[in-house]
Amino acid sequence: EIVLTQSPGTLSLSPGERATLSCRASQSVSSSFLAWYQQIPGQAPRLLIYGASTRAAGIPDRFSGSGSGTDFTLTISRLEPDDFAVYYCQRYDGSLPWTFGQGTKVEIK
Amino acid sequence: EVELLESGGGLAQPGGSLRLSCAASGFTFSSNAMSWVRQAPGKGLEWVSVVYGGTESTDYVDSVKGRFTISRDHAKSMVFLQMNSLRVEDTAVYYCAKGKYFFEYWGQGTLVTVSS
Repeated sequence: EIVLTQSPGTLSLSPGERATLSCRASQSVSSSFLAWYQQIPGQAPRLLIYGASTRAAGIPDRFSGSGSGTDFTLTISRLEPDDFAVYYCQRYDGSLPWTFGQGTKVEIK
Repeated sequence: EVELLESGGGLAQPGGSLRLSCAASGFTFSSNAMSWVRQAPGKGLEWVSVVYGGTESTDYVDSVKGRFTISRDHAKSMVFLQMNSLRVEDTAVYYCAKGKYFFEYWGQGTLVTVSS
């Protein structure tokens, strides 16, 4: 089973700053079958990115995804108040079960 | 507009059963795979099960195989998760989600608590 490790565990930033979140896989994720989600406390997750770099419908362009193989990145170019949340990566290549990273919390500094 | 609405959560004893339901609307239900994803209190996300559109085949995470059964009712646009032989470690918010690979739409979740 492929394990996804996200770093850092917590990112303390101010509104307007750039956030860079990492997701590292224990084995190569084929065809960049990787997604990113945002979860605000008390709410369901929201899909941000799939295919490593394709934004989901309605997602602002300040969110971008990149990477391939074992190293993937979610970048939020300029943090807005609603962006302070927990972010998860998820792989959906190869065989089940699909797995998620443990999450990165982006908190207000 | 896509909407997913879960129900059926609650308190169950270890070894007990619960049946979760998810009512779907706003998309062509029959041709889409539907999944369940859970989140234990204060923890991350865990994919649990999927029922595929068309073939109606199913898959499960190993920890629930033989205990949970996913099914769907096309006429009512509903998906179900029958949970038997519940364990304390099954305690979580259970989300219904549209999709088989990644999950573009999620319900609000229903809390399942397994405790004596």
